[in-house]
Amino acid sequence: KNQVEQSPQSLIILEGKNCTLQCNYTVSPFSNLRWYKQDTGRGPVSLTIMTFSENTKSNGRYTATLDADTKQSSLHITASQLSDSASYICVVPYTDKLIFGTGTRLQVFP
Amino acid sequence: DAGVIQSPRHEVTEMGQEVTLRCKPISGHDYLFWYRQTMMRGLELLIYFNNNVPIDDSGMPEDRFSAKMPNASFSTLKIQPSEPRDSAVYFCASRHDRGRSTEAFFGQGTRLTVV
Repeated sequence: KNQVEQSPQSLIILEGKNCTLQCNYTVSPFSNLRWYKQDTGRGPVSLTIMTFSENTKSNGRYTATLDADTKQSSLHITASQLSDSASYICVVPYTDKLIFGTGTRLQVFP
Repeated sequence: DAGVIQSPRHEVTEMGQEVTLRCKPISGHDYLFWYRQTMMRGLELLIYFNNNVPIDDSGMPEDRFSAKMPNASFSTLKIQPSEPRDSAVYFCASRHDRGRSTEAFFGQGTRLTVV
């Protein structure tokens, strides 16, 4: 079955700390994986895309990794800021559709 | 482009009433998706269109739900009659098909409350 699972379900950290979010997928065939950020009361917005041939990609304080062999991806946030508080959703396409993970709810406290 | 535009942003209605949610996708996008988001189940795909044609409506929960896309710039999701369990945030998203892009652009959502 094509699924995307994320962990942890929720996470609380202090401002300035680092954190890592995990995504495991069973979607096949695999072409790419996206991380979306969803602020409260808004729609998800794409942060980064990882294709089959990429292992690591950075976008400012966000670094995504992909291991296509183990079918795992991670999103590492460095020096967290209050504005990082949001839900982070891992998404893998399957045919014309997108398979969404249930997300990780991150809360950053001062 | 102003992005995907949804209306209304908030809707409160009584059980049994008809509810119509509206979406204007990004100009030039070939695909339009309707999603429902709840705390328990996350984002669920209800239905999607390609070039205005419904492709997969297997996610539509019941016959009470219907969706149309009369042209490339407008789509509606209708619930008739509405029930309290339909309370959720409904998102519309669109994407183009060039280069097999998989980035979907989401609207702000419509928060539906059925009392």
